[in-house]
Amino acid sequence: QVQLVQSGAEVKKPGASVKVSCKASGYSFTGYYIQWVRQAPGQGLEWMGRIDPHSDGAKYAQKFQGRVTMTRDTSISTAYMELSRLTSDDTAVYYCARDRQVSMDVWGKGTTVTVSS
Amino acid sequence: QSALTQPPSASGSPGQSVTISCTGTSSDVGGYNYVSWYQQHPGKAPKLMIYEVTKRPSGVPDRFSGSKSGNTASLTVSGLQAEDEADYYCSSYAGGNYVFGTGTKVTVL
Repeated sequence: QVQLVQSGAEVKKPGASVKVSCKASGYSFTGYYIQWVRQAPGQGLEWMGRIDPHSDGAKYAQKFQGRVTMTRDTSISTAYMELSRLTSDDTAVYYCARDRQVSMDVWGKGTTVTVSS
Repeated sequence: QSALTQPPSASGSPGQSVTISCTGTSSDVGGYNYVSWYQQHPGKAPKLMIYEVTKRPSGVPDRFSGSKSGNTASLTVSGLQAEDEADYYCSSYAGGNYVFGTGTKVTVL
């Protein structure tokens, strides 16, 4: 079945970077964009950006420009989201999702990132 | 890009209908027929309920329907059931970007 499996929870100190992985299975990895969305505790969903696994092209939300990098490794059907210069405001659950017909039809279970000194 | 505006809460008794609005601008909701709706239960990942304004993915009950007029999209849940109690988020394509709504908590009384 189609699924996205994300890496485990992370605890980081302010100023550090975090890299979250998202492994796809059950479909052609290069055929669909991967979107990244985060959700701070008790808050709503926030779009961070997306990557095209076929071309390796990425588009980022303006808020995260310069601080986020999305990459992929087609040999292992895995997408990555790296966020740098972390602050406590980056404490959130980070989700990857498959983009199909301009919507997010399959989601990973989420990766909790906690930023604390 | 500002978040789309949704009412914080909505409620209804079992069997009743509830409609959630999602207001944006001509740069997002009004400019494209790419509005999606997501259901999220506590501690779970969001689930796609509606895409391209009105379409339902396979497996989503036909009690869920979507519509759009101008810059405002709507999600209607008919015949409310206990398992429909959740947070609901709209999302719109915005010319290369995506924007989510502020979220609506639906309570089944």
